[in-house]
Amino acid sequence: ETGVTQTPRHLVMGMTNKKSLKCEQHLGHNAMYWYKQSAKKPLELMFVYSLEERVENNSVPSRFSPECPNSSHLFLHLHTLQPEDSALYLCASSQDLTPSPNYGYTFGSGTRLTVV
Amino acid sequence: GQNIDQPTEMTATEGAIVQINCTYQTSGFNGLFWYQQHAGEAPTFLSYNVLDGLEEKGRFSSFLSRSKGYSYLLLKELQMKDSASYLCALGSNDYKLSFGAGTTVTVRA
Repeated sequence: ETGVTQTPRHLVMGMTNKKSLKCEQHLGHNAMYWYKQSAKKPLELMFVYSLEERVENNSVPSRFSPECPNSSHLFLHLHTLQPEDSALYLCASSQDLTPSPNYGYTFGSGTRLTVV
Repeated sequence: GQNIDQPTEMTATEGAIVQINCTYQTSGFNGLFWYQQHAGEAPTFLSYNVLDGLEEKGRFSSFLSRSKGYSYLLLKELQMKDSASYLCALGSNDYKLSFGAGTTVTVRA
C-alpha cells in the first residue's frame, strides 16, 4: 500500500472514446501531480495541483484535462487520444510543492493506458 | 532547465555490487533523489542527497558531488529482488522534480 491509489490499473481505449483516470491519496498531502512514463524515456511532468489549484500545465495537449475536486482526489480526463499517448500514467503527491527529503513524492502504481 | 543522464541497462550477479551513475546539469540544485521501480509498480523512494558525500542505508548507498554534477547509487550484496529500474531525480529551485530515463538492473543467479 503506497498511500496513493490509482484506478484503473489498465485501460484500453479507442481514439474516439472518453475515459477518466482517478487518483486518490489519504496522506494529508496538499500537492498532487500527473506524470507520463513512456518506455526508455524520463518521466514527463504533465500537471501540478497545490491546494486544489493548478500551478503547472506543461504544454500538455488539450485532449488531456485534469480535475482536482479536493486535496485527496485528482482526475485525468481523456478524449480523442492518439496511439502515441499510450504510456504509464503516474499520480504522485507530496506534503507541499517542495519534494520532501524523506520521501520526495509518493507515487501510485499507475494506469497502463493503451490507445488503439 | 535540467539534463539528467544515466545508463540504460546494467547486469550483475547475485551477491555482487553494482554502481549506477547519474550525471546532471541544472540551473538551480535542490537535492538529488534515487527511486526504485519494479515493473508495473510505483516508484519508491530510496535516498536523498543535498550535501556532498555518501549516505548509507543498509545495502544501498548514494553519493553526491555537486561540483561535478554527479551522483551514484551503490547496491551491495545484490539479491534477485533488486532487479528493477532505478530512477535518478533532481530537485530544483522551482520546486519541480525532474527524472532521468532510468537504469534497468538485471540480477542473475
